[in-house]
Amino acid sequence: DTAVSQTPKYLVTQMGNDKSIKCEQNLGHDTMYWYKQDSKKFLKIMFSYNNKELIINETVPNRFSPKSPDKAHLNLHINSLELGDSAVYFCASSGTWNTEAFFGQGTRLTVV
Amino acid sequence: KNEVEQSPQNLTAQEGEFITINCSYSVGISALHWLQQHPGGGIVSLFMLSSGKKKHGRLIATINIQEKHSSLHITASHPRDSAVYICAVRSQRSGGGADGLTFGKGTHLIIQP
Repeated sequence: DTAVSQTPKYLVTQMGNDKSIKCEQNLGHDTMYWYKQDSKKFLKIMFSYNNKELIINETVPNRFSPKSPDKAHLNLHINSLELGDSAVYFCASSGTWNTEAFFGQGTRLTVV
Repeated sequence: KNEVEQSPQNLTAQEGEFITINCSYSVGISALHWLQQHPGGGIVSLFMLSSGKKKHGRLIATINIQEKHSSLHITASHPRDSAVYICAVRSQRSGGGADGLTFGKGTHLIIQP
C-alpha cells in the first residue's frame, strides 16, 4: 500500500498550457508539502498545507496554486507553463509535530 | 550561502569501505533528516534525528546540536548503496507549527564492486 502517491509520474506539455499534479497520502498525516527538484537535483520547498491551511509559500510564482480538497490530498495546479518550470516535483507528508517525512515518487514535468 | 552544507559532493569508494558523509547547518533546528535518492528518482527517509545517534542495519547517523553538525556513516559499503544522500533540516520556530525541510545539495555516492 503506497503511503504517498502522486500522478502522473511523467508529464510532457507545451508552453502556455495548464496542468495539474495530484497527490494523496493514506498515513493520516496533518501536513502535506510540495517540493521542486531542479536540474541540478537541488530540492526546495514550494508549499505546505496543514489542516487545509497554507503554511508556507516560498516565493513561488502565483501561476502555481496548491489545492487541498481534504486532509489526504494536496494537488498542484500550474497555469501558463513556462520552460523554466521543467523539473521534478515531489509531494510529501508528515505529522504536525516534527515527525518523519514520507515522499511520493515524484512527477517529472517537461515543458517544451 | 546555503543554510545546509554537505560534504563531499561526490564520493567514489570500493565495496567494503567505511563511508562518512558530513552535514553542517547554520540555523536552529528541531530535527535533521537523512534521505536517500536512488537513480530511479524516489526519495526515502533514512533517519530523523534531534539528538545523539541512530543505527539502522549498516547505516549510522549522528548529530551534534552544539556544533550544528551531523554525519551519516555506512559500514561495509555495497554497490547497492550507490545513491544520492541528502541532509535536510526542519527549522526551529517559536510557537511550533509545521515547516517544510531545507535541503543540502546532496552527496552522490558510488560504490564500485
